[in-house]
Amino acid sequence: DTAVSQTPKYLVTQMGNDKSIKCEQNLGHDTMYWYKQDSKKFLKIMFSYNNKELIINETVPNRFSPKSPDKAHLNLHINSLELGDSAVYFCASSQDTQGEAFFGQGTRLTVV
Amino acid sequence: AQKVTQAQTEISVVEKEDVTLDCVYETRDTTYYLFWYKQPPSGELVFLIRRNSFDEQNEISGRYSWNFQKSTSSFNFTITASQVVDSAVYFCALSGDNFNKFYFGSGTKLNVKP
Repeated sequence: DTAVSQTPKYLVTQMGNDKSIKCEQNLGHDTMYWYKQDSKKFLKIMFSYNNKELIINETVPNRFSPKSPDKAHLNLHINSLELGDSAVYFCASSQDTQGEAFFGQGTRLTVV
Repeated sequence: AQKVTQAQTEISVVEKEDVTLDCVYETRDTTYYLFWYKQPPSGELVFLIRRNSFDEQNEISGRYSWNFQKSTSSFNFTITASQVVDSAVYFCALSGDNFNKFYFGSGTKLNVKP
């Protein structure tokens, strides 16, 4: 069983569209994250949730809206996609706020 | 402010060579955690190690070893007898008092040639 799974793995879409990425973890962790990895491989946190509550929103445009229906899920919805949103988006989870994070396999988003 | 610097952008070695990946961090927190992750060409991020700021013992796991030195704010990673399968981008990361986020270095791409 995959510990942290995200879907889809690849997403190609046109500018202006709205898209969602889903993430689920079966580790029983309390904390979940979204990270963005740009074309230079730089990883930056976007959001952090602890027990379904938003803890960190790292100056991300409000076109990005995370939603955590329960502790095991953290989805990312993106409105009005722009070319600059093209990146790999990683979901992750950790036991608590001090633990190591386990990452999903990433979603490569390409906006054309 | 939290910062992680991986000055080596890319390293190439021949199989069986030893290689050390450098990581220097900055933090004002007294309690913090350091991590290493591996990102192979397939793209996933694989957790390798976590070390807390109160534990300066070096760690060895098979061919991997880590040297944590608070005096120089470094947490270096050595691969002994490198193998082609070690080829990947390696990230060092820091988590401080605001434990809810990891600060990643820019990564070091390791190429191990046969």
